[in-house]
Amino acid sequence: GAGVSQSPRYKVAKRGQDVALRCDPISGHVSLFWYQQALGQGPEFLTYFQNEAQLDKSGLPSDRFFAERPEGSVSTLKIQRTQQEDSAVYLCASSSPSGGITDTQYFGPGTRLTVL
Amino acid sequence: AQSVAQPEDQVNVAEGNPLTVKCTYSVSGNPYLFWYVQYPNRGLQFLLKYITGDNLVKGSYGFEAEFNKSQTSFHLKKPSALVSDSALYFCAVRDIGGGSYIPTFGRGTSLIVHP
Repeated sequence: GAGVSQSPRYKVAKRGQDVALRCDPISGHVSLFWYQQALGQGPEFLTYFQNEAQLDKSGLPSDRFFAERPEGSVSTLKIQRTQQEDSAVYLCASSSPSGGITDTQYFGPGTRLTVL
Repeated sequence: AQSVAQPEDQVNVAEGNPLTVKCTYSVSGNPYLFWYVQYPNRGLQFLLKYITGDNLVKGSYGFEAEFNKSQTSFHLKKPSALVSDSALYFCAVRDIGGGSYIPTFGRGTSLIVHP
């Protein structure tokens, strides 16, 4: 596609519900990142994939957070038993085909999650 | 370890005047620096990046940034501000020497351009 897309754009969940956030990266991009952006803050790293391999998940705040990219393209970030502190914008970014360390990351519009 | 600081939460400038948004960084190796802009309810849009070479980097929408190694700074600049430049600006750094793919973002600076 022309850019990174994310769905849904907005999600309201009751505390304790499970949610799944989807990211469609730019076609052919090897690397995919998930970030969490709290209100008034910069993006904070959650996890990183190179193709289907999850190379770094050090930023996931708890074992309630899980991400996958089974075929090396679309990725899903799942949050189980949501808590109010999970309320944030979740951003996905992908980077160019070489997957090199200096590649530019291109961001999707984000999913705004509100946990009531 | 890598870190980045944006010392101003907000910058106000009149349309037509030059603007500067400040960023300082800290890395143990060589820095890979970039600027993004975020409009309301939108994702981050890439503006420009510095890896190596010329210290003055030119990017999208007339923006440029100057890498200063001695001051560990990477300030974003534009000679003549537009009202449409009003947005949230993020500086980010990666430590190339550390081999990390993971950038650290600043807290962001809100730029307000007054007509």
